[in-house]
Amino acid sequence: GAGVSQSPSNKVTEKGKDVELRCDPISGHTALYWYRQSLGQGLEFLIYFQGNSAPDKSGLPSDRFSAERTGGSVSTLTIQRTQQEDSAVYLCASSNGGSISYEQYFGPGTRLTVT
Amino acid sequence: AQKITQTQPGMFVQEKEAVTLDCTYDTSDPSYGLFWYKQPSSGEMIFLIYQGSYDQQNATEGRYSLNFQKARKSANLVISASQLGDSAMYFCAMRESYNTDKLIFGTGTRLQVFP
Repeated sequence: GAGVSQSPSNKVTEKGKDVELRCDPISGHTALYWYRQSLGQGLEFLIYFQGNSAPDKSGLPSDRFSAERTGGSVSTLTIQRTQQEDSAVYLCASSNGGSISYEQYFGPGTRLTVT
Repeated sequence: AQKITQTQPGMFVQEKEAVTLDCTYDTSDPSYGLFWYKQPSSGEMIFLIYQGSYDQQNATEGRYSLNFQKARKSANLVISASQLGDSAMYFCAMRESYNTDKLIFGTGTRLQVFP
């Protein structure tokens, strides 16, 4: 079946502009995660949605970052007034529930470059 | 303090040989899960293997096995019979039962397999 998809695959934007990154999780997966991977680094957790529960926003680096998940499916990560340090690959993942053993399936990522 | 530590930024192994990638972790939660992911140059994150903190036996998945030493808080990945296609970044990650479902990643190890 279809995996996690993300769009766009690449985004170049000017400093100060707003960007929206989209994630389509695997159908039926209740949990959705956003991570950020800076060049040569590991993945940094940003935000987590589980069903109808309030999202865990503890990883968002500033109030310029926000995310929503509509209808329990598609999610959009918004970065306002982008800065050069926001340049990174943004990865979305989904999983089938909150069990500790459930693996997360990752999308291909969106490479964001802020000039 | 680092929750996941991968001390080997790079490793080399000859084709058909075995290689061990190190991972140590830090948690006070008795219930946690440990994951290894592979990230080829194409960028996607590929799940390899999972070990639960209560699992009595070391996890195995094909050529991958996890050397889980709970008292030492280590979860090393062993790849047997290395193949050229194993060349990639490898990330160790942990999920803690109390800490929602986010994965905490190490900084990764770049494995290069040579003929």
